[in-house]
Amino acid sequence: RKEVEQDPGPFNVPEGATVAFNCTYSNSASQSFFWYRQDCRKEPKLLMSVYSSGNEDGRFTAQLNRASQYISLLIRDSKLSDSATYLCVVNTGTASKLTFGTGTRLQVTL
Amino acid sequence: DTEVTQTPKHLVMGMTNKKSLKCEQHMGHRAMYWYKQKAKKPPELMFVYSYEKLSINESVPSRFSPECPNSSLLNLHLHALQPEDSALYLCASSRSGNEQFFGPGTRLTVL
Repeated sequence: RKEVEQDPGPFNVPEGATVAFNCTYSNSASQSFFWYRQDCRKEPKLLMSVYSSGNEDGRFTAQLNRASQYISLLIRDSKLSDSATYLCVVNTGTASKLTFGTGTRLQVTL
Repeated sequence: DTEVTQTPKHLVMGMTNKKSLKCEQHMGHRAMYWYKQKAKKPPELMFVYSYEKLSINESVPSRFSPECPNSSLLNLHLHALQPEDSALYLCASSRSGNEQFFGPGTRLTVL
């Protein structure tokens, strides 16, 4: 089983839609959780940190379920500019080492 | 200043060349990282420096040699690379070992 698993993409949604991405992690000792977005041929950029039961930032909501070892990202009112790959990232607590999921590609269309 | 810078942006080198990638941050972060990313794959960790000391080497071949001259700078020295080493090389830094901030990367092509 992979350490961090994400929904396979791509997700193709119209502008204005709500879309949710899921991520599961295998190490129950994991302490910190993040969502990064990566545009084509660019570096990953931190979108949200998820430290407790979840948090919200504008149109983006991240949820954490420690019992099920599950993280989600909800994007409301999708914009064309949200088109990117979304990476689920987990810190297992091992000396600053982050483990990346394979990413989920989102394409928002007119 | 909240950014990580990397030079060069692009690099083409032959298998017998020696080159270096450079990374710089002025955010006071004490952890710095090198990652390698191939197309359509997530970043793969190569090295971690914590307080200027190498703390993690993910079994990277010796043709890649990291160096941390001071708390703001991180270098990756390249020698005798193979074509399969062609990739995007990303540097990142972190204050606490949690949120990491990435530079724009160096796109490396080995001929």
